[in-house]
Formats: sequence, structure tokens, C-alpha cells
Amino acid sequence: EPEVTQTPSHQVTQMGQEVILRCVPISNHLYFYWYRQILGQKVEFLVSFYNNEISEKSEIFDDQFSVERPDGSNFTLKIRSTKLEDSAMYFCATGRLTYEQYFGPGTRLTVT
Amino acid sequence: DAKTTQPTSMDCAEGRAANLPCNHSTISGNEYVYWYRQIHSQGPQYIIHGLKNNETNEMASLIITEDRKSSTLILPHATLRDTAVYYCIVREIGRNAGNMLTFGGGTRLMVKP
Repeated sequence: EPEVTQTPSHQVTQMGQEVILRCVPISNHLYFYWYRQILGQKVEFLVSFYNNEISEKSEIFDDQFSVERPDGSNFTLKIRSTKLEDSAMYFCATGRLTYEQYFGPGTRLTVT
Repeated sequence: DAKTTQPTSMDCAEGRAANLPCNHSTISGNEYVYWYRQIHSQGPQYIIHGLKNNETNEMASLIITEDRKSSTLILPHATLRDTAVYYCIVREIGRNAGNMLTFGGGTRLMVKP
């Protein structure tokens, strides 16, 4: 059964550095999402992406964040200048239709 | 904010049915009820969704009350691998609807031998 994959599984970075988290969606999926989960807290929506543009974004998704599909397959989340509070699990989700979302295993981001 | 209320935790004996309740008293007519679960720190896993009719798939059954103000997710024969946090989510589906999922605290289900 096809799965969403994410790389890396764990990323350690220093405060102020840029990070790029990558997601490979299930083939033929058109809707893409990023969520994050700070340790011990709820899963929070960040952004949704369809037809090469952002559909929705939350208040968390400020100017430090950006998303793109650089090669038509990978879906990336970039954090330009990481802060300590960006430490979290970041989950990518994809769907073929608007009402479905299949989540990847997540990337654990640790900012030191 | 999440539009649902769930118990914080529940226990279930292995092999028995696990019945997880969810209250969504403010649900509107075009909102669906979704269930996801999260095993440890893995990505949330889709279980089932429904509008007003009861639904069943290979993982679970979803029972929605006639007034749609509450629902119950049923895992018919719980195993130790079903230990997870279960999220009940209400969301609208449609061309103009947002696609974000709003997660609450969920119910932590512990399946015991």
C-alpha cells in the first residue's frame, strides 16, 4: 500500500539556521498539507497547498515558513531562521481528494 | 478550536470491543465526523468518517446518533496494537470548505492484556 514518506526522520539544527523538510506524497495525490506537534501538545495545522499555491494557512505559518513543490513530486517545508520554539514533529499529509488526508511518519526537528 | 469533546482516557481489555464516545453538539448539517488515531509519536492514521449514516470498514465502525450530536467509534476486537490516542474531528467537506483538520486532545485508549 502506498505511503507518504518524509525525510529526514530527525533533523538537529542550530537556532537561526534554515531547514528544509521534505515529503514525498502518494502518487496522484493533489492536495498537500503540513502539520506540526510540539512535544506533549496537540497536532496543529500549518498550511495546505493545491495547484501550486497555498490554499489555507494558520497563524503559525508566518513569513519564516514557506512551502513549494520544486520538482512536481517532492513537497517541502522551509523554515528560514529557526527558533527554539520551532522544535516539534512536523507531519506531511497528502490526499487525492479534498476529504482525505494521509499522514507521513513525521520529521522530528530539534533546534538547539 | 476543536468542536468535539472526548474523554481524556479509556481502558479496554484485549479482545473486547472498544467503544470511544465523542460529543459534537454544535455540528452543522454539512459537517462530517472523522476519526483518526495516533500511535505513540507516529503520524495520525485515518480510521473512518461519516455524515449521518453508520459506517463500517476493515478497521472500525462509526455509529452516529440520529440528531448527529454525538458518535461512537467501535473497534470490535481491540488488540494491544490499538493502544493509541483517538481523535474525533468535525469538518466540512465541499468545494468552498477549508481542508484543515483541527485536532483536539483526543482519547488515550490503553488496551490491556
